[in-house]
Amino acid sequence: QVQLVESGGGVVQPGRSLRLACAASGFTFSNYFMHWVRQAPGKGLEWVAVISYDGSNEYYADSVKGRFTISRDNSRNTLFLQMNSLRAQDAAIYYCARDSAPLAGTPIGYWGQGTLVTVSS
Amino acid sequence: EIVLTQSPGTLSLSPGERATLSCRASQSVSSSYLAWYQQKPGQAPRLLIYGASSRATGIPDRFSGSGSGTDFTLTITRLEPEDFAVYYCQQYGRSLQTFGQGTKVEIK
Repeated sequence: QVQLVESGGGVVQPGRSLRLACAASGFTFSNYFMHWVRQAPGKGLEWVAVISYDGSNEYYADSVKGRFTISRDNSRNTLFLQMNSLRAQDAAIYYCARDSAPLAGTPIGYWGQGTLVTVSS
Repeated sequence: EIVLTQSPGTLSLSPGERATLSCRASQSVSSSYLAWYQQKPGQAPRLLIYGASSRATGIPDRFSGSGSGTDFTLTITRLEPEDFAVYYCQQYGRSLQTFGQGTKVEIK
């Protein structure tokens, strides 16, 4: 079955960096677009970034563009999110998510359980 | 970036009633790449509807989606106790994507 397991969350000071990882299993990772979506405590969902199945294309929400980088290692079935210059408003649960169908842009069909990022001095 | 505005913010209804949720886009959503998700407390979201009107696998037929262009609707014909949750619309595709701010369906 599809499994997405995030790691790397924690408490970080404003202005510092953090790298999230998502270990994928149960499907052919290299066939799917992958996303990061976040949710601040008690707030709604915010789409953060997407990367194409082969890593050739990346897109970002305006709120993180220039600070966050999404990447993937298809040989290790792992998705990453490098977060630099963190701000208080970046604090959230970060979900790793997979498109519902391979190769093409489709809605998100699977989600991890999320990893919590807290930005505080 | 397409902005999605959902209304109302909260819908207070009783089990058995009909729920109508709206999602309006700031510009036309191409090829009806509009999805609806349900989220319950402490859980990840679940895909309900894609392509504006197609139900995802395993979704009961009391859930239906409609609309095109900039105006979309999620309808739940008869609310079951398990349907009380927060619902989000999302425009998706191969590039930039956005979620609406959500509509909470609560028990009246």
